[in-house]
Amino acid sequence: SQQGEEDPQALSIQEGENATMNCSYKTSINNLQWYRQNSGRGLVHLILIRSNEREKHSGRLRVTLDTSKKSSSLLITASRAADTASYFCATGQNTGFQKLVFGTGTRLLVSP
Amino acid sequence: SAVISQKPSRDICQRGTSLTIQCQVDSQVTMMFWYRQQPGQSLTLIATANQGSEATYESGFVIDKFPISRPNLTFSTLTVSNMSPEDSSIYLCSVRPSGTSGAYEQYFGPGTRLTVT
Repeated sequence: SQQGEEDPQALSIQEGENATMNCSYKTSINNLQWYRQNSGRGLVHLILIRSNEREKHSGRLRVTLDTSKKSSSLLITASRAADTASYFCATGQNTGFQKLVFGTGTRLLVSP
Repeated sequence: SAVISQKPSRDICQRGTSLTIQCQVDSQVTMMFWYRQQPGQSLTLIATANQGSEATYESGFVIDKFPISRPNLTFSTLTVSNMSPEDSSIYLCSVRPSGTSGAYEQYFGPGTRLTVT
């Protein structure tokens, strides 16, 4: 399977703390994306980083990409209870229409 | 961005029956995708549906089991045929925004939670 691996599988922190999630993948990619899913509902796109980029920021989110190690990390700073969700990385493949291959996901619980 | 709705939001079905899931987008899009998310698992792409052409299925998924229609640029259906309990999953449609080239994000519908008894 080309599915990426995320770690940790589950993460429990207190409000105000930072949360870091890691994603590793196996094949060369065009881009890597992070999505959030609340309670088994639809996914919400968070951030996209291209293969020629190393770091990207969006609000409280910081994403890094290391293509030599085939890995990425998502940092959520100053977490809030509303950040409680599952987070998935997804790699955009170098195929004709760049389909997405999703990682295994990290379940984040932020306690007040 | 695109706003996507799915019907039904959830259903409980008996084995051996079929269910058709609808996906409606508020704008015209070229590419639509159907995913399956089994309980506690990640998303797996079932097929890509482009308007005017046959759907392209991923390895492990076949048209007889998951027939897809794409009659226009804002609508698609996925049918789960001859269901078994193993088909219990969340089924999600997503779209590629029109006018994008190169790397792109996908917009997802809210999902259809299917339970097969």
